[in-house]
Amino acid sequence: DTGVSQNPRHKITKRGQNVTFRCDPISEHNRLYWYRQTLGQGPEFLTYFQNEAQLEKSRLLSDRFSAERPKGSFSTLEIQRTEQGDSAMYLCASSPRTSTSIEQFFGPGTRLTVL
Amino acid sequence: QKEVEQDPGPLSVPEGAIVSLNCTYSNSAFQYFMWYRQYSRKGPELLMYTYSSGNKEDGRFTAQVDKSSKYISLFIRDSQPSDSATYLCAMSRGASNYQLIWGAGTKLIIKP
Repeated sequence: DTGVSQNPRHKITKRGQNVTFRCDPISEHNRLYWYRQTLGQGPEFLTYFQNEAQLEKSRLLSDRFSAERPKGSFSTLEIQRTEQGDSAMYLCASSPRTSTSIEQFFGPGTRLTVL
Repeated sequence: QKEVEQDPGPLSVPEGAIVSLNCTYSNSAFQYFMWYRQYSRKGPELLMYTYSSGNKEDGRFTAQVDKSSKYISLFIRDSQPSDSATYLCAMSRGASNYQLIWGAGTKLIIKP
């Protein structure tokens, strides 16, 4: 399968714990995005990487959230001291760097439940 | 008020019907208008996109953009049970603009 993959698919944690999610984009894509989606809502932009550089972070991304993309390949999203409000689907997407690349290719998401 | 408004539904229609899905928006700077389909427990997948105003057809799907009214539509002809999913509209200011602004999604149910 050459699509975007995300691990784990599901994560249940207790409030206050740290969690880390991984995203493996399509191999030739140099742009990578993280979104958060809650039930009945569209995805909300969190952050964007071009290669290894994090070029944009949403104001939604509090200090408890950090994302990395070492070597411009896979990416990780860490949430520290989780809160119940962090419960959501975390989606990763990637796209190639071309002037006409409007499509973002999404992974299946990681569903986080904070108890 | 949200930048993009979309009726969450659910919209339930019989198989074979023509389906109309819509979004309104407030930011006149949007140039690219996209429709994504999302099945349960899956990520969104792009159905089609339109640049600026006009129509675009792809098989049973037609996308329309009316920038003067800030209104976009997706029509599905000869709807099938496999079309049952949540349909999300998304918009951006440019092709290189990575921040997509999304509607809440409309849940569509096609009854056999």
